[in-house]
Amino acid sequence: DIQLTQSPSFLSASVGDRVTITCRASQGIGSYLAWYQQKPGKAPKLLIYAASTLQSGVPSRFSGSGSGTEFTLTITSLQPEDFATYYCQQLNYYPLTFGQGTRLEIK
Amino acid sequence: QVQLVQSGAEVKKPGSSVKVSCKASGGSFNKHEINWVRQAPGQGLEWMGGIIPIFGTPNYAQKFQGRVTITADKSTNTVYMELRSLRSEDTAVYYCARPSFDIWGQGTVVTVSS
Repeated sequence: DIQLTQSPSFLSASVGDRVTITCRASQGIGSYLAWYQQKPGKAPKLLIYAASTLQSGVPSRFSGSGSGTEFTLTITSLQPEDFATYYCQQLNYYPLTFGQGTRLEIK
Repeated sequence: QVQLVQSGAEVKKPGSSVKVSCKASGGSFNKHEINWVRQAPGQGLEWMGGIIPIFGTPNYAQKFQGRVTITADKSTNTVYMELRSLRSEDTAVYYCARPSFDIWGQGTVVTVSS
């Protein structure tokens, strides 16, 4: 199975900050990577697919990059509603797998 | 507007089975091509399996092989996920999602307790 390792697991930041979350795959997955945001008690929300394509309706302060084994999610100018948990997911191989999550909290 | 609506919360005894449904409406996608993802309390997301668009047949994560069955009733646009031999570690929220994971169900809480 493809292992996805996110770093950091926990991130404390302030409104207006720029943050970057990294997702590393145990083997190459091309650009078959997605990023999700999840808030407590809610289903995950798709932010980015194909590593760098912004899902319709997602604010442009979210961006994704990378290919192969290393990927990043960047959020510029953090807003109060961005404090949540973020997951990466690979869709190149079955079983589909997720990273362990990055919890983004207000400093 | 595409929607996935799941069945309600369940409380089950260890060793029993649970069957969760996911009804799709709206949009022009093959409504039986659904994935299942679960999330234990305070934990991350775990893909269980799904009906694969290319093949139209179920594919399961090895961890759940032999305990999970995903079926589809095309006449009602409903997909079912049955998990057998339940144990306390199966307590989780179970989500269905489209193959593109852009649309998710609201989640079904399954509690396994004696």
